[in-house]
Amino acid sequence: QVVLTQSPSASASLGASVKLTCTLSSGHSSYTIAWHQHQPEKGPRFLMRLNSDGSHSKGDGIPDRFSGSSSGAERYLTISSLQSEDEADYYCQTWGTGFQVFGGGTKLTVL
Amino acid sequence: EVQLLESGGGLVQPGGSLRLSCTASGFTFSSYAMSWVRQAPGKGLEWVSSISGSGGSTYYADSVKGRFTISRDNSMNTFYLQMSSLRVEDTAIYYCAKEDTVTTRGGAFDIWGQGTMVTVSS
Repeated sequence: QVVLTQSPSASASLGASVKLTCTLSSGHSSYTIAWHQHQPEKGPRFLMRLNSDGSHSKGDGIPDRFSGSSSGAERYLTISSLQSEDEADYYCQTWGTGFQVFGGGTKLTVL
Repeated sequence: EVQLLESGGGLVQPGGSLRLSCTASGFTFSSYAMSWVRQAPGKGLEWVSSISGSGGSTYYADSVKGRFTISRDNSMNTFYLQMSSLRVEDTAIYYCAKEDTVTTRGGAFDIWGQGTMVTVSS
């Protein structure tokens, strides 16, 4: 079964950029994933679907500051020009027939 | 506007039952698989169950298999999670979510509800 690994926490300064990583388990490097943002007291928000070749399609209304890229088994979410409202938990997700998997999430702190 | 709205959460004793509902609007409901995802206090997101667009295929996480049942009524644009034999560890916010493809091979969750709290406690 595919496993997604994320660092528990990350931090960056207001106005800076940050790159979050989601790593697919061995043998699953071709999987497409999705990135989601989860702010306190809200439902999660779909950011983008990210393919193994780095191509991605973003959700409605997602700013250009959010972008995705891939390298091997790693999937990245880059947030540029960080704003205070970007402080949230970020989850990666993947799937197959009959299952859905989430990474453990990364808590992003904007300093 | 594409929207999902959950209802049915509440406080229930261990061993009890509860039914969650999720009503959809703004898209062709019957074309898409739908899922339930939960978040226990202080924990991350955990997939619970999915159902195909027709309702003919259902899938469950091992942690709820045999205790939870997912179903849908496409005429009402609504799907459900019947939860039985509830345990303290089922305490969580339960979110409904829509997949972004019409295939039966799974997909990204592109629309989420706002969540409904389920508390299992004596």
